[in-house]
Amino acid sequence: SQELEQSPQSLIVQEGKNLTINCTSSKTLYGLYWYKQKYGEGLIFLMMLQKGGEEKSHEKITAKLDEKKQQSSLHITASQPSHAGIYLCGATLMEYGNKLVFGAGTILRVKS
Amino acid sequence: DAGITQSPRHKVTETGTPVTLRCHQTENHRYMYWYRQDPGHGLRLIHYSYGVKDTDKGEVSDGYSVSRSKTEDFLLTLESATSSQTSVYFCAISESDRGFEKLFFGSGTQLSVL
Repeated sequence: SQELEQSPQSLIVQEGKNLTINCTSSKTLYGLYWYKQKYGEGLIFLMMLQKGGEEKSHEKITAKLDEKKQQSSLHITASQPSHAGIYLCGATLMEYGNKLVFGAGTILRVKS
Repeated sequence: DAGITQSPRHKVTETGTPVTLRCHQTENHRYMYWYRQDPGHGLRLIHYSYGVKDTDKGEVSDGYSVSRSKTEDFLLTLESATSSQTSVYFCAISESDRGFEKLFFGSGTQLSVL
């Protein structure tokens, strides 16, 4: 949706390198969700962030929520080929009565 | 695995024909959703349901209708398919009774309208 901007649109990283994906909302966030999608498959829930300053980790993936900037970042440490896929952020926005909208996604490729 | 099954997984149809996609869940969750995914647009909400016979429109509902006569089934119908409806369609459920939290998605239906 236009309300959620993800950056970059795509990136290629060398295995072992760190990377960050950003998701910025133009409207007030209730909650922010990160999903991962492998080609041809459905979305897998990664993390949910609801409070300003909240930070969550799952294995080598960490997500933070900056309430002031209405922005979330997803950081992958020491990337592996298994991290490759499409990462989508979703958000429940005050103006939309709590409906979940999604960003366009970030395509991640990890080179061995 | 949240027990979500979409059928069919792939469908090719002609412009002007009706098409129905089915989403089936095994866990009796209240909220169910239909999204479409297109390059450059991410996922866009078509319709959602918050109970049997209770449905509401999403951001791209034109040309689509839905029905939910049983808790476990949520049907999406394209009354007269158009080429612009070629897309990947995902069904999702929410484990929360408040809806729109921590959605779990089915594997998707690839629909091609020729």
